[in-house]
Amino acid sequence: TQLLEQSPQFLSIQEGENLTVYCNSSSVFSSLQWYRQEPGEGPVLLVTVVTGGEVKKLKRLTFQFGDARKDSSLHITAAQTGDTGLYLCAATNDYKLSFGAGTTVTVRA
Amino acid sequence: GAVVSQHPSWVICKSGTSVKIECRSLDFQATTMFWYRQFPKQSLMLMATSNEGSKATYEQGVEKDKFLINHASLTLSTLTVTSAHPEDSSFYICSASVSSGTWGTDTQYFGPGTRLTVL
Repeated sequence: TQLLEQSPQFLSIQEGENLTVYCNSSSVFSSLQWYRQEPGEGPVLLVTVVTGGEVKKLKRLTFQFGDARKDSSLHITAAQTGDTGLYLCAATNDYKLSFGAGTTVTVRA
Repeated sequence: GAVVSQHPSWVICKSGTSVKIECRSLDFQATTMFWYRQFPKQSLMLMATSNEGSKATYEQGVEKDKFLINHASLTLSTLTVTSAHPEDSSFYICSASVSSGTWGTDTQYFGPGTRLTVL
């Protein structure tokens, strides 16, 4: 079983629409990271959330860390075609990063 | 800052040969380097963790004699896939970790990956 459950697995939306990706676990984490990966490239860190209940904004992206530090969400407002990619949540467990299965987001023009 | 490079970016080899992949932290010294493998449409799976001057720690199910890791300096780690077979074809990604000083919040910076195809 995966330490981190991501949903949905795939998401296809029209440009301008909003989307939310979820990352859930039964474990408590000291921090959680969100990455975006494009085909043929390594993942790029978007944000690290550390405090329960924390909300971080990165332009049109809003990241939330659950109060109990077991779950997180990524919300994209007015998605653009450049937001297309694989979104991965990851958490540190005994100094190692464990990744969720990822959500493939496709934004259609 | 915090740039990690990998070389080569892609490699094609014949079955039975060995392939070496380099991972370098270009502008910082990494406490720890990690090696991941990613199959198409899947997430990253950790293969091993290496610290400079120490033997690598391999994840369960990863053959240490097949995937040789050398961590010669704080800026360079290499992964050698020995006697490669078609099932070893995958996207190999390294990362380098910078200690934040607070447990559980170290940041890993990822390389661009190496696409290995074994014929």
